[in-house]
Parts: sequence; C-alpha cells; structure tokens
Amino acid sequence: EVQLVQSGAEVKKPGQSLKISCRGSGYSFTNYWIGWVRQMPGKGLEWMGIIYPGDSDTRYRSSLQGQVTISADTSISTAYLQWSSLQASDTAMYYCARLLNTVTNALDYWGQGTLVTVSS
Amino acid sequence: QSVLTQPPSASGTPGQRVTISCSGSSSNIGSDPVNWYQQLPGTAPKLLIYSNNHRPSGVPDRFSGSKSGTSASLAISGLQSDDEADYYCAAWDDSLNAAVFGGGTHLTVL
Repeated sequence: EVQLVQSGAEVKKPGQSLKISCRGSGYSFTNYWIGWVRQMPGKGLEWMGIIYPGDSDTRYRSSLQGQVTISADTSISTAYLQWSSLQASDTAMYYCARLLNTVTNALDYWGQGTLVTVSS
Repeated sequence: QSVLTQPPSASGTPGQRVTISCSGSSSNIGSDPVNWYQQLPGTAPKLLIYSNNHRPSGVPDRFSGSKSGTSASLAISGLQSDDEADYYCAAWDDSLNAAVFGGGTHLTVL
C-alpha cells in the first residue's frame, strides 16, 4: 500500500528555520516525483514545487524560488520542505503528494498534511 | 486570483446531477490534461479524476470528467450527502512551467 506520512505540526516564530518531512512507503521512492502543495487558512491549493528523488531534479513555482528548498534523502525514502527564515505569511497546511507521471501531472497519493504556524 | 477559474459554490439535492466547470487558457487546459481533486472537510485532497476523464481505482463511476478546448467539467450524478466537499481542478501550465489549481468549488448537498 502506497503511503506518504508527514511530520507533525509545528509552531515557530518569525525568522526561525524549519524543515518538514514526508516519508514514502509501499512503492519505489526513487522512481516517482514528489510534490509539495500549500493551503493557507481558508484558501485553496497552491502548487509549490516537485522533486525527483532518483536524481534530485527539482522544480519550483517561480514566485517561491529562493523562499523554500525542496530536497530528498533516498536512503530513508523521505522528501523535505525547508525554510531558512519563516514569515507569518508561511502559516499554512503543507501537503506532500506523489506525482503519478509527468504526462498527466496528477497527484495520486497524498500525505496527511503538516500544519505550520508562524507567530510571534 | 487563480489561473484556472471555478465557480466558488455549487449545490444540489440527493440523487441529482451537478456539474462543476473549470476555465483556463491555451497554455494550460488547452494543451495539457486536467485533473480533479476532492477535499472533504478537515482532510487531505484526494485524486478524483486524472487525464481529463479517467477515474483512479476506487472512485465511483458517479464521478466523470470531460474537457473541450480550454474548459473542463466535473460531473457528479446520484448526488450523496457525503459528496459535500471542496472540488479543485488542476493542470500543468506551459507558460508558468508549473502546475496550477482552480480556486475550488464548495459543493453543498441540500
């Protein structure tokens, strides 16, 4: 059974750093792109970027370039989303999801979400 | 606002058929497959339709998708109370080189 399990909720102060994780199981982690999707409180879904763990090829939404870093550790089948300096506007639920393939770009399995709260 | 345009809300009574529209442009829906996601309250999104009109295993055939030109639609027949959720369309955008979502449609079952 394909599963993506994300790390737990985080409460941080502005300016702090953070790295959240997404562990995949039940499939070949290196052979599927993993994407990150943001959902701000009461708002819709926003695609942030994707990574191919097999070779670490990474693509970002242009407006987020430099704001976040997506990475992966194939030895533990885990993808990461990290910030070096959080802002209040980063408060959101963050989901990781597996990309079915690059033809459809459909996200077929999703993690349960990680709630990030940034507040002074 | 979102690159893909959806109505913010839709409604229907049990047993009815409802459709949700998604409008885009030649750089997204016009040139790439459309996917639909269902997000039940307080849960992660779930893939409902992929590549315009394909259902993942386990998705009832009450759900169907279609695409024409730069627009797509999700149809739900035999509406049930537990279909009450937010529905999002999505597609790759060749100009932005990124995936884009619609703003979401909240479906209410009356």
